[in-house]
Amino acid sequence: DQQVKQNSPSLSVQEGRISILNCDYTNSMFDYFLWYKKYPAEGPTFLISISSIKDKNEDGRFTVFLNKSAKHLSLHIVPSQPGDSAVYFCAARRSNSGYALNFGKGTSLLVTP
Amino acid sequence: DAGVTQSPTHLIKTRGQHVTLRCSPISGHKSVSWYQQVLGQGPQFIFQYYEKEERGRGNFPDRFSARQFPNYSSELNVNALLLGDSALYLCASSFGDSGANVLTFGAGSRLTVL
Repeated sequence: DQQVKQNSPSLSVQEGRISILNCDYTNSMFDYFLWYKKYPAEGPTFLISISSIKDKNEDGRFTVFLNKSAKHLSLHIVPSQPGDSAVYFCAARRSNSGYALNFGKGTSLLVTP
Repeated sequence: DAGVTQSPTHLIKTRGQHVTLRCSPISGHKSVSWYQQVLGQGPQFIFQYYEKEERGRGNFPDRFSARQFPNYSSELNVNALLLGDSALYLCASSFGDSGANVLTFGAGSRLTVL
C-alpha cells in the first residue's frame, strides 16, 4: 500500500515562476517529512525536511508546508531555475522506525527558460 | 570527501542467479540503509544496519539479505533472482541511528535480470 502519494507525475514551470509540488500521506504516525531531489544517474539528494511539530520550514528558495489535519505537504520553489529540473521525491517516516523512509513515486519537474 | 560509493554500477544477471551489491558509506558514518527503486516508483526500504546490527527490515522476501562489516561498509545479497528484482538498488549512509539524521544516498547499482 502506498502510504505516501505524489499524484502529479510531472510539472512544467517557467523560469522565475513558483513551482509547487504536492504530497499526501495516509499514515498518521508519520512525524518527519523530507524532500529529496534526483538527477538522472545520481542518487537522491536531500533538499529540505520538516518535523510534524512545525507547519513551515524555509531554506533559501525552498519552503515546505505541512498540513497535518489534511495529511498534506507541499514544496514551494521560488524563483524556479532551470537547474531545478529533476525528479522530486516526498518521503515520510515514524520516529520509532529509524531510517525507514516511505517514498512517494516522485514528480518530474521541468523548468523552462 | 568521497560520498557514498556503490559497486558495481550496472550488472546483468539471469533468473535464478545470485547477486552481491557493495556499498561504502561516507567516512565516519556508521549506519547504512538499502533501498530498491523499481522503474517509475519511489525507493522502497529494504534494510538498515547500524554498528553491524540489523536495525530494520522492509517487506522483502528472505531471498534478500545484507550485512555490515567492521569498517561500516555493507553488502546486499539477493538469491534466486526473479525478473521483478530488476531495479536500481540504492545505498544510503548516515552518522547515527536516530531519526534526526539525514540519509546521504549513493548513485546506485542498476540490476537487470533476464
